[in-house]
Amino acid sequence: SAVISQKPSRDICQRGTSLTIQCQVDSQVTMMFWYRQQPGQSLTLIATANQGSEATYESGFVIDKFPISRPNLTFSTLTVSNMSPEDSSIYLCSVEEPGELFFGEGSRLTVL
Amino acid sequence: KQEVTQIPAALSVPEGENLVLNCSFTDSAIYNLQWFRQDPGKGLTSLLLIQSSQREQTSGRLNASLDKSSGRSTLYIAASQPGDSATYLCAAVKAAGNKLTFGGGTRVLVKP
Repeated sequence: SAVISQKPSRDICQRGTSLTIQCQVDSQVTMMFWYRQQPGQSLTLIATANQGSEATYESGFVIDKFPISRPNLTFSTLTVSNMSPEDSSIYLCSVEEPGELFFGEGSRLTVL
Repeated sequence: KQEVTQIPAALSVPEGENLVLNCSFTDSAIYNLQWFRQDPGKGLTSLLLIQSSQREQTSGRLNASLDKSSGRSTLYIAASQPGDSATYLCAAVKAAGNKLTFGGGTRVLVKP
């Protein structure tokens, strides 16, 4: 199974700032996914990131707020822009390999 | 639209008792169903993946069953241990490469 590393593992940020989360996979994968887990909630898909194309965003999520990069088959970044306390969540990167989903350890973000 | 439900939301059992975790889904046309474990503030660990053509999967003390006709999957954990305390999530996917739909999770506490 793929090994997925996320940075940072946690951070405390000020309102109005932006934070970029990195996701590194130890093998080449076609599809990478970014999820959000708000406190006490289950996971919600933010977007699907394929290498060489624009990310596909789910309803309720927009590129201006959550820009995503996918420069190669092993790496992706998610930026949470102009943060507010409502953005306090765990952000998780995942990959499909094949038919089974694997997750990173998550990035726990607290916005003050 | 697929909806996945996990009841109960929380469960507390004494050590040694068998755990039975329920997952129900509204659309039986699934590609596979996956069970995950999540420790507090952490990412998800894949436990078992059941393909739509399978009835069950086993790994050690864990056994997961799938009944598409009734829209149910059950995760059994035999002889529970305090280390099994975590949140367990199930997720269904409609087709390869499609997003997963997660249940709300069952938070399990195994008391020594």
